Amino acid sequence: DTAVSQTPKYLVTQMGNDKSIKCEQNLGHDTMYWYKQDSKKFLKIMFSYNNKELIINETVPNRFSPKSPDKAHLNLHINSLELGDSAVYFCASSQERYEQFFGPGTRLTVL
Amino acid sequence: RKEVEQDPGPFNVPEGATVAFNCTYSNSASQSFFWYRQDCRKEPKLLMSVYSSGNEDGRFTAQLNRASQYISLLIRDSKLSDSATYLCVARGGATNKLIFGTGTLLAVQP
Repeated sequence: DTAVSQTPKYLVTQMGNDKSIKCEQNLGHDTMYWYKQDSKKFLKIMFSYNNKELIINETVPNRFSPKSPDKAHLNLHINSLELGDSAVYFCASSQERYEQFFGPGTRLTVL
Repeated sequence: RKEVEQDPGPFNVPEGATVAFNCTYSNSASQSFFWYRQDCRKEPKLLMSVYSSGNEDGRFTAQLNRASQYISLLIRDSKLSDSATYLCVARGGATNKLIFGTGTLLAVQP
């Protein structure tokens, strides 16, 4: 039933590791997004894909690489994790420029 | 300076009170505006869009002043369940990019 789902919900890992977060939406939307919410609760866009094409790529370290295998999935891979990467990562989807629906978030803690 | 600025609060109000949140945005090219609500440890959810003519949804009223680049949200007859963080959001450009404010925390007390 879940519209936008993310896995895992929690991720605890060591500095220097590589990790992935997966996102899936079953709403039939054509656009998906990744946002980062930092420790001060500030929510900022990272990437957006429309029909598997990258359309937003904010100033994000190239250790972060999004991958969209199809319209329903947008994964986020992070290389060489750093302490500052600790945050909550939200996936979202929308149909064109209509309302964005957010997933439940993945809480990443880098030790 | 952030593109969308809000008073972080917290706003502590008794049940039944009326509370108003303000927000300013710096990019005059922003086209659309929204209020999102985020409960503790949950995802943001759209509360309402904001139109220049002002719009109301039950106890919630949103206003936009493009000349002043100012957005407001008024909550009447506050309920305990209104306790959350309220995020002011601007959207502009062709990419549907949402720019979030830092949020205003509301705590409604019994």
